[in-house]
Amino acid sequence: DIVMTQTPLSLSVTPGQPASISCKSSQSLLHSDGKTYLYWYLQKPGQSPQLLIYEVSNGFSGVPDRFSGSGSGTNFTLKISRVEAEDVGVYYCMQNLQVPWTFGQGTKVEIK
Amino acid sequence: EVQLVESGGGLVQPGGSLRLSCAASEFTVSSYYMTWVRQAPGKGLEWVSIIYSGGTIYYADSVKGRFTISRDNSKNTVYLQMNSLRVEDTAVYYCARVANWAIGYWGQGTLVTVSS
Repeated sequence: DIVMTQTPLSLSVTPGQPASISCKSSQSLLHSDGKTYLYWYLQKPGQSPQLLIYEVSNGFSGVPDRFSGSGSGTNFTLKISRVEAEDVGVYYCMQNLQVPWTFGQGTKVEIK
Repeated sequence: EVQLVESGGGLVQPGGSLRLSCAASEFTVSSYYMTWVRQAPGKGLEWVSIIYSGGTIYYADSVKGRFTISRDNSKNTVYLQMNSLRVEDTAVYYCARVANWAIGYWGQGTLVTVSS
């Protein structure tokens, strides 16, 4: 199974400041079709998860452009350019290059 | 608007069975990959199973042989039959739609509690 490791596991951010979450996979997520199967989700308190970023760096419909994803191979990063109060929750990276699909442990983001 | 509504959760004793349902609206489940993801209380997300539009099915090792995913096209509903339930299966179970390999839409979840 591909292991997804996120750092840090928690983050306290001042509103308006940037934030960054790292996700490392135990093997490359690059498929022979040229796509990299790495996704970012946010689970706000009391809610279902929601898709933020697909295939490393593509913002899902309706996601604010302050969220961006980058990376390649086994190293990926989610960045929030200016954190807002509504961004609190737990962020997960996920791979589905192969079954079983696997998630990172989650990074809890709170506002200072 | 795309909607996924799960039902069927509840309290069950270890070794018991439950069938979860996921009713979809505004799209046809047979045209998409549909997946189940669970979340134990206070824990992270764990992928459980997927059924492709073509019918191919996969399971997590933790549920293989005990859980069965299926769909009823006439009811536009996806199911998760859960047998031989264990205490460690206690979780909120989310049904979700996959498009272009991304889990774009999630249901609200249904809580399954396995306890004596």
